[in-house]
This record gives sequence, C-alpha cells and structure tokens, in this order.
Amino acid sequence: NAGVMQNPRHLVRRRGQEARLRCSPMKGHSHVYWYRQLPEEGLKFMVYLQKENIIDESGMPKERFSAEFPKEGPSILRIQQVVRGDSAAYFCASSPTSTHEQYFGPGTRLTVT
Amino acid sequence: GQQLNQSPQSMFIQEGEDVSMNCTSSSIFNTWLWYKQDPGEGPVLLIALYKAGELTSNGRLTAQFGITRKDSFLNISASIPSDVGIYFCAGPAYGGATNKLIFGTGTLLAVQP
Repeated sequence: NAGVMQNPRHLVRRRGQEARLRCSPMKGHSHVYWYRQLPEEGLKFMVYLQKENIIDESGMPKERFSAEFPKEGPSILRIQQVVRGDSAAYFCASSPTSTHEQYFGPGTRLTVT
Repeated sequence: GQQLNQSPQSMFIQEGEDVSMNCTSSSIFNTWLWYKQDPGEGPVLLIALYKAGELTSNGRLTAQFGITRKDSFLNISASIPSDVGIYFCAGPAYGGATNKLIFGTGTLLAVQP
C-alpha cells in the first residue's frame, strides 16, 4: 500500500512566479491536510480538505494561497506570486476518516530565489 | 492559543542509553501523537494515545498520556544510531469540525555510536 505521495520533492521558483504542489493521499484516504515547516521549526497547519470541499482553511494566508482536492486527481496547493518568505517545506498528510492519526508525505521543499 | 512545549530541545547520547522526553501544554488535549522526522523527510507516526493514563509501546518506544491530560512522555530504550532525528508531539486543536494538529517544538536526538 503506497504511502502519501508528493511531487515535486524540490521546487525552485523566482519571485513572482507560481508554485503548484501536488499530493496524492494514501489509497482509501479521503481527508487531506497541508502543513508548512519553516527551517528549524515545527509544522504549522494550513488547510484541511475532503473531496471537493475545504473543511478548515484557518491556517492559510488570506492572499496568494489556495488549495483544492478535486473529485478525481491529487490535491493541489497553489501559491501565486511567490515571495522569499514562502520558502519552506510543505507537507501533505492524509487520514482514512475524520481521525487525528494523520500520515505524512515526504514533503515538497520550495525555494524562492 | 494552544501550544505544545517539548523538552529537552536537544539530546546527545551514547548508543545503548535510554532516552526520555516530554511534551507539555497549558490546555487539555484528548489525543496525543508522537512523530519522528528524519532529515529531508516527512514525519512518521510512532504512537497515538487516546486516554488519560494510557501507556502504549511500539518496539523500543513507550509513550504515556499524562493523567492531567496536559502532558505526554516518550521513552526510547537501548537507543541505536537510526533513532537519530527530531521527535515531535502533536495534538488536535480544539473547537469546530477541524482535525488540524498542533505540533510541538521538537526534540532533536543525536546518538553517538
């Protein structure tokens, strides 16, 4: 049973460009979560989605950031007009039901130059 | 808001030694999760605790849910070099329908062979 998959693993963008991060949850998991980790820090919650619905986006910056989890295909975290402060590791997690046991992917490391 | 503080911040030990770390909060948690993160990877779920006083083991790891529900402890017995990494505690934020996790500040473990 494959784990949570994220791609790309590393992404370099220039300031002002768009970044698209993809996450495929574990098979059978319909709940997806995105977290951000700044260097030397813990993980901070961004958004919680179920298929086609955003359940909680309280951790998402109000501008430039958006997330979706369509009926078919992976969940996407989109960052428009990236700035240097967006450089971080972005982790996706999934769970089979509304449970607190979340399983994490390997992360996407975004570097903004 | 809810915060989780971990101590110690870092530990440098010899292979074979036992390790203890803890996680404390000023507010009550109903679930405690312990994760380990290797460099460049996502967190891996080690142990989940659901009941005050609960003691759960996973191999050489043992975790306890504090009876006050404001703390949790993780012990590693007979440490080996592959135990190196950052250990995070986590718990669900309260309120609403969210499953978002609050993560602790982390304990860095280094094991000298």
